[in-house]
Amino acid sequence: EAQVTQNPRYLITVTGKKLTVTCSQNMNHEYMSWYRQDPGLGLRQIYYSMNVEVTDKGDVPEGYKVSRKEKRNFPLILESPSPNQTSLYFCASRSTGTLAYEQYFGPGTRLTVT
Amino acid sequence: TQLLEQSPQFLSIQEGENLTVYCNSSSVFSSLQWYRQEPGEGPVLLVTVVTGGEVKKLKRLTFQFGDARKDSSLHITAAQPGDTGLYLCAGADSWGKLQFGAGTQVVVTP
Repeated sequence: EAQVTQNPRYLITVTGKKLTVTCSQNMNHEYMSWYRQDPGLGLRQIYYSMNVEVTDKGDVPEGYKVSRKEKRNFPLILESPSPNQTSLYFCASRSTGTLAYEQYFGPGTRLTVT
Repeated sequence: TQLLEQSPQFLSIQEGENLTVYCNSSSVFSSLQWYRQEPGEGPVLLVTVVTGGEVKKLKRLTFQFGDARKDSSLHITAAQPGDTGLYLCAGADSWGKLQFGAGTQVVVTP
């Protein structure tokens, strides 16, 4: 089954404790991205990657890091989480070979930073 | 500032009624997508419209892309409880970057 998986689905942590949210896709997509979703603000892009070893900042990159060492994986790293990073996070992927740019989303990771 | 404005933010209707959700922008998009998101899940793509003036139908859902490719609408005929969800529009620029609206929460009660 074609899918994007994320882990963990739920995470409660404390300020300053480094964490990583993993993301993996099995559709051989070149493009992967991370979004955060907050009430009234919709989905905002954090980082994206056009292919292996190619990453770039989205609209709200501060406080986040990413890496793309393999095509299928795109982890999101919070080096020193703060309460304003409490949010619902989604990983997404798509092919770059289509003009319609349909994205496939993971199930989400709900992060709470206390 | 939200580049894509969705309206209304919330819509509660009875089963069998019709509803329309609007997505407006001052920007021109290469394509526009509509997603539906249910609690605890990621958004799922419903449709992509590419050509100005394009109309697509998906069972009881009708999607329209404005002639100038700046706005879109989603119309649901004879809504059912299974249509309940958060509807998101997203416009893609020529580089493929998506700009999402804040979403419209639709609740259909039996």
